[in-house]
Parts: sequence; C-alpha cells; structure tokens
Amino acid sequence: EDQVTQSPEALRLQEGESSSLNCSYTVSGLRGLFWYRQDPGKGPEFLFTLYSAGEEKEKERLKATLTKKESFLHITAPKPEDSATYLCAVTTDSWGKLQFGAGTQVVVTP
Amino acid sequence: DVKVTQSSRYLVKRTGEKVFLECVQDMDHENMFWYRQDPGLGLRLIYFSYDVKMKEKGDIPEGYSVSREKKERFSLILESASTNQTSMYLCASKESTDTQYFGPGTRLTVL
Repeated sequence: EDQVTQSPEALRLQEGESSSLNCSYTVSGLRGLFWYRQDPGKGPEFLFTLYSAGEEKEKERLKATLTKKESFLHITAPKPEDSATYLCAVTTDSWGKLQFGAGTQVVVTP
Repeated sequence: DVKVTQSSRYLVKRTGEKVFLECVQDMDHENMFWYRQDPGLGLRLIYFSYDVKMKEKGDIPEGYSVSREKKERFSLILESASTNQTSMYLCASKESTDTQYFGPGTRLTVL
C-alpha cells in the first residue's frame, strides 16, 4: 500500500535556527513529489515540485531535495513568518491524484 | 498566477439539507479535484474530474456527488448533509506539470 509519512509532527524553532523536515514515501512509480505550505484556515500554497532523485529546488529560505525514498525540506535561518504547516504529497498516476502526508507544523519564535 | 476560487469561506447547514460547494478556476485546466481536510486525517480525495461532464471517484466518495458542466467550474454536492461531513473542503486545479493549485477552502459545519 502506498504511504507518505512526514516527520516530525511538530517543530519549534528559534528565529535563525535552521532545520529540516522529512517526507518518506513508499509508492510504486513516483511521477512527482510536491511541497505545500498551509496557514491556519487557508488552502495549501504550492511551494515545489520534484520529479527525480537528485533534484533540488530553492525559494528564499526553503530548499527541497529528493532521493529515491524520501524528500527533505530545509529551512535556513527561519523567520517567524515561516511558521505554518508544511505538507508533502506524491502522485503516481496520469490523473495527477495527490496522496498527502499528515504534515509538519512549524513554529518559529523571535 | 493561477486563481482558484470557492463560493463560500464559511457555511453552516442543517442535517438533511442539500449542499452545493462551488469552485472556479481561471487557467483553462483540464483536471479539477475536491478534497476534505480533517484533523488527524489530513487531506483526502473525494472526487476529481478530467474533462467537462467527466468524473471519477476518489478515496471517500460516499455521500457526495459532483458536477462539471463547464470547464472552469467544478461543484461538490452533499445530497443529504450529515454531521460527519463537517469539515474543511478544498478544491484544486491541475496544470500539465501535475502541480495542483488550491482554493482558499470552505469550512462547512453541519448541525
């Protein structure tokens, strides 16, 4: 059975304290892995798409990487505005259906 | 920028009512999706559509139906709302790269 697991469930960081979130997946035939950011009461906001092992994408303080079994979202020198829940999702079919992990809730304190 | 809009941010309905949730996208995308999000369960796919009038069941279609009469509009219908359908409902639209863009969500409460 396909599975997407995110860890940790929650992360509390001091401003400037870099860290990484993990998304491990066991699926057959990965077509793409996606990272989203979600603020409370809002819809997920797209961050990155990764397609193949070794691929990396960057945006401001965020960097996403992909291996054959997992993806990491690195947050470098976070600021309080980086506080959010970060969701990982995978797709394995041509319809593009997404299977989501449970998310990592990140809180960055000043 | 892709824009996905949903008809209501908050909705309160009574048990047994028929409920319509509407979603509109402005990017001429073929595929559209409806998810629900619940604490501890994450996002789960209810239905999706890959063309006008074409639909497929997702993982949890029971108690729901959908309608796609125009390419830009995808509606989720709760035929007879029940309290266990109280949830956050999210619509998404997919571009050719497989990336999905989400709307702001509708928080539905069924009393």
